Order: sequence, then C-alpha cells, then structure tokens
Amino acid sequence: AQTVTQSQPEMSVQEAETVTLSCTYDTSESNYYLFWYKQPPSRQMILVIRQEAYKQQNATENRFSVNFQKAAKSFSLKISDSQLGDTAMYFCAFQSGSARQLTFGSGTQLTVLP
Amino acid sequence: NAGVMQNPRHLVRRRGQEARLRCSPMKGHSHVYWYRQLPEEGLKFMVYLQKENIIDESGMPKERFSAEFPKEGPSILRIQQVVRGDSAAYFCASSRESSYNEQFFGPGTRLTVL
Repeated sequence: AQTVTQSQPEMSVQEAETVTLSCTYDTSESNYYLFWYKQPPSRQMILVIRQEAYKQQNATENRFSVNFQKAAKSFSLKISDSQLGDTAMYFCAFQSGSARQLTFGSGTQLTVLP
Repeated sequence: NAGVMQNPRHLVRRRGQEARLRCSPMKGHSHVYWYRQLPEEGLKFMVYLQKENIIDESGMPKERFSAEFPKEGPSILRIQQVVRGDSAAYFCASSRESSYNEQFFGPGTRLTVL
C-alpha cells in the first residue's frame, strides 16, 4: 500500500517571501501521479499542481512549482511571492497508475503573515 | 460549466438516524469518488463508482455504509444508524473516463452526529 507523509503540520511565511512544503511517499510502482491540493477555510479542495512520475521536468504553475526527486521519493511544493490568499491547508496526494483513488498526506497548515 | 455539486452542505443527525449525502458530478464526468475527512486529518478514500457500478469499495466501512450511482440522478452515500464517530466532512470528486488523474472535488458535506 502507498503512504504519503507530510512532516510539517504547520508553517508560516511572510507575505512576498518563498516557502517550501515537504512531502515524501512510499510506493513500489513506477507509473504514478503526484498532486498538491489546497484547502482554504471554505474547505473546498482545489488542485494546485500535478506531476506525472514519468516526466523528469518539474511541474510549474505560476507561483507554484515542485521539486520532484523520484529516487528519493520526494515531492516538495515551492510557493513564491506568497500572498495572503495562499493561507490554507495543503495536502500532498499520490495516485497509482493502476488505480483511481487518491492517497492523501495529513496536511500542512500554511499561514501567510502580513 | 457547473462544478461538482454536493448537498446538503451541512447535515445534523442524531445517533441511530440515517444520513444521505448526494453528489452530482461535473457535466461529462462518468466517474465518482467519495472521500471522508475526519477532524484534523487528510482525506481518506472510501469508494469509486461508475454509472450503475461500484468499481472499488476498498475504503468503505463494512457495515452501515453504502453507495450508489444510478443511471439517472446523483450519486448517493448512505450511512445507516449513524454514530458520533461518523461526524466528518464527506467529499465527492468526479472525473472523465479518459482523464482519471484529474479529479475535481465538490465543496463537501459536513455531517455532525449528536
């Protein structure tokens, strides 16, 4: 079974600064997908960024980018130029290439300070 | 194009009552997934359905929980004889047949059992 670990329960960052959220996972599969979801106080789950394991290039989406280290099974999220609206719970998630369900980590509560 | 719809948004039940949670997938999506989020935890997969078929229910509790996705109408997650431990946020997600790694989430139903 796959597991996803987020070792930072809480983090804070000053507005306009850069912050990196950590995620590690464990799998024996070679084909899979990794995701970062954001859950603001409204509790809506919002997809931030997605990475296919077969792609060596790190995914980027505006101010959000990932550092995907396949051998180390690490998938960190970097948020540049942090904004107050980035305050949310961030979940790392894994999806096997052979199954449909997402496996989530326990989350990191990010607070952006003015 | 409307997103994934869930209703009700909040549901209060007394112990022993039944809870019915509804999920209408995005237009063109034929796959539905249910996840549960206990307080202070990440989302946990419960069940994956296509129209009229349960594909994977490996995350469903063995008793009291059932799910369906009829040919017409929304997907229903049914919890019989609710207990306090069922209090949680229940999220539905949907995807197309051709892009199962793009799951779009609804706003969730927060169930409170008194």
